[in-house]
Amino acid sequence: DQQVKQNSPSLSVQEGRISILNCDYTNSMFDYFLWYKKYPAEGPTFLISISSIKDKNEDGRFTVFLNKSAKHLSLHIVPSQPGDSAVYFCAASAQGGGNKLTFGTGTQLKVEL
Amino acid sequence: GAVVSQHPSWVICKSGTSVKIECRSLDFQATTMFWYRQFPKQSLMLMATSNEGSKATYEQGVEKDKFLINHASLTLSTLTVTSAHPEDSSFYICSANLQSTDTQYFGPGTRLTVL
Repeated sequence: DQQVKQNSPSLSVQEGRISILNCDYTNSMFDYFLWYKKYPAEGPTFLISISSIKDKNEDGRFTVFLNKSAKHLSLHIVPSQPGDSAVYFCAASAQGGGNKLTFGTGTQLKVEL
Repeated sequence: GAVVSQHPSWVICKSGTSVKIECRSLDFQATTMFWYRQFPKQSLMLMATSNEGSKATYEQGVEKDKFLINHASLTLSTLTVTSAHPEDSSFYICSANLQSTDTQYFGPGTRLTVL
């Protein structure tokens, strides 16, 4: 049972344009969401997070949007840079869940020159 | 801040031997650490939650006698893969919670190959 889904396994974007990565979840108990970036053979790097009391959080080029009614979140990267090319995972946790994270399946982003 | 290290970064061992992987929080204390494994082109799967000073909590389907976890201090958790078999070959990643936040910071991972 995949509680966190990233339906696009890959995404290709031109440098300078906006990258939009999507994530859907099914567990209504999730109340904290995170995005991580991962290179092969490395651990995930934390990018940005959002609590369920908010619908938007912005940090530099990264913005995360949360639509609770649709159980959907998205990560916007603008402008996209070649160094952004990596696998992006969304993750979710539930209050009272001991901070355990449930990860999505990942989206491979490729930013082309 | 919030740096997590793992050692070793990669290890090759013979079938039947045991391998210990260390996870350290370098600049913060972590009462809780987590161990994940990742198979190629798949997501990270939580194996267990490591609690300082108490027993680890294992996820369903993870053998606690095979994957021994010890969290002896606020900055160190170890995962020992006992009697390793080729199917245990994987990428093992640990994470630690920065206290007072809900954010987990991950180590660089350990590639285990069992021959």
